[in-house]
Amino acid sequence: DQQVKQNSPSLSVQEGRISILNCDYTNSMFDYFLWYKKYPAEGPTFLISISSIKDKNEDGRFTVFLNKSAKHLSLHIVPSQPGDSAVYFCAALNAGGTSYGKLTFGQGTILTVHP
Amino acid sequence: EAGVAQSPRYKIIEKRQSVAFWCNPISGHATLYWYQQILGQGPKLLIQFQNNGVVDDSQLPKDRFSAERLKGVDSTLKIQPAKLEDSAVYLCASSFDRFMNTEAFFGQGTRLTVV
Repeated sequence: DQQVKQNSPSLSVQEGRISILNCDYTNSMFDYFLWYKKYPAEGPTFLISISSIKDKNEDGRFTVFLNKSAKHLSLHIVPSQPGDSAVYFCAALNAGGTSYGKLTFGQGTILTVHP
Repeated sequence: EAGVAQSPRYKIIEKRQSVAFWCNPISGHATLYWYQQILGQGPKLLIQFQNNGVVDDSQLPKDRFSAERLKGVDSTLKIQPAKLEDSAVYLCASSFDRFMNTEAFFGQGTRLTVV
């Protein structure tokens, strides 16, 4: 049962253009969402997050949008840079029950930014 | 601030052998996670601790995997006996408190190869 889904295994964009990574979830108990970036041979590093009470959060070149009714979130990177090339994971935190604080990940999207 | 420390970085063992991984979370972090990441997939939660108590171990193969977090600080994850399908990266992460919406910080992981 994949509760967090990233349906695009890979994305390729040109430097300077916008990268849009998408994520869908099914569990209505999720109330906090995070994006992580992972380089080869390293652990995931936190990028940006959003609470379910918001629909947008911005940090520099990175913006996360949340559509609760559609159970969908997206990460926008503008402008994209070659150093952004990595695997991006969407993750969600449980806010109830015995699994409070459980962090569930999607499958990841490989972003490649071409110079 | 020191990050999450894991050791060893790499381990190669034969099937049916045992192996142990160690994790030292960020000081003061109450919540500790162990994830298994198989190549091409997202991290899968194996076990979650709050201080020295287990919060969620629903996806831990308890016939061969065990984990403990004595004194609510360091943690060890053990596999005995290992199977070929256990080949993966084992990631440890910690967060301030599972009842607060904060990001989890990851270690570099241990890459396990079972031959």
